[in-house]
Amino acid sequence: NAGVTQTPKFRVLKTGQSMTLLCAQDMNHEYMYWYRQDPGMGLRLIHYSVGEGTTAKGEVPDGYNVSRLKKQNFLLGLESAAPSQTSVYFCASSRTHGYTFGSGTRLTVV
Amino acid sequence: QQQVKQSPQSLIVQKGGISIINCAYENTAFDYFPWYQQFPGKGPALLIAIRPDVSEKKEGRFTISFNKSAKQFSLHIMDSQPGDSATYFCAASQGNSGYSTLTFGKGTMLLVSP
Repeated sequence: NAGVTQTPKFRVLKTGQSMTLLCAQDMNHEYMYWYRQDPGMGLRLIHYSVGEGTTAKGEVPDGYNVSRLKKQNFLLGLESAAPSQTSVYFCASSRTHGYTFGSGTRLTVV
Repeated sequence: QQQVKQSPQSLIVQKGGISIINCAYENTAFDYFPWYQQFPGKGPALLIAIRPDVSEKKEGRFTISFNKSAKQFSLHIMDSQPGDSATYFCAASQGNSGYSTLTFGKGTMLLVSP
């Protein structure tokens, strides 16, 4: 029972580079979310999805794009990475209120 | 606008003591109030949750107290243990049609000294 799996776990990017973070869940959850965690800032919602093929903006969506082509996968893209996007990114999924989080991706943009 | 305010930022409690973390919210449409526990290098994990129709919920050593009129809720950890040392996040959500997005507090780092 894997739950929510995030890849990669660590990544260092140069400013201006692009990358995609992958989130996969095996619980058949309808809803998926991307959060970023920064020291002293808590967890802030970037984008979320209420079902396959649908996405919506959260609190801090600028500089990110997402796609939910398959129910079990939720991708977070950075088209042109900036140092301000250095953070730990968490994916979560839920059936209703109870979220299950992945173990995170630590991203450093230099 | 911070919709969920959490305090304190950090807390040191002796083993066997009571840890208390407080949260306050502004949005009266919130209808679900969970607490998450996060260990270093791990994702947050649901610890306990409450809905506004009850004033208290207890699960083992963990208790949520909820004051709807004051728009406040708190986490009490009884008989705190070193293994409870972690970061705790309160959160709140409003949902319709079966889904919700969580708004988190900024977190409290708890250290339980042996």
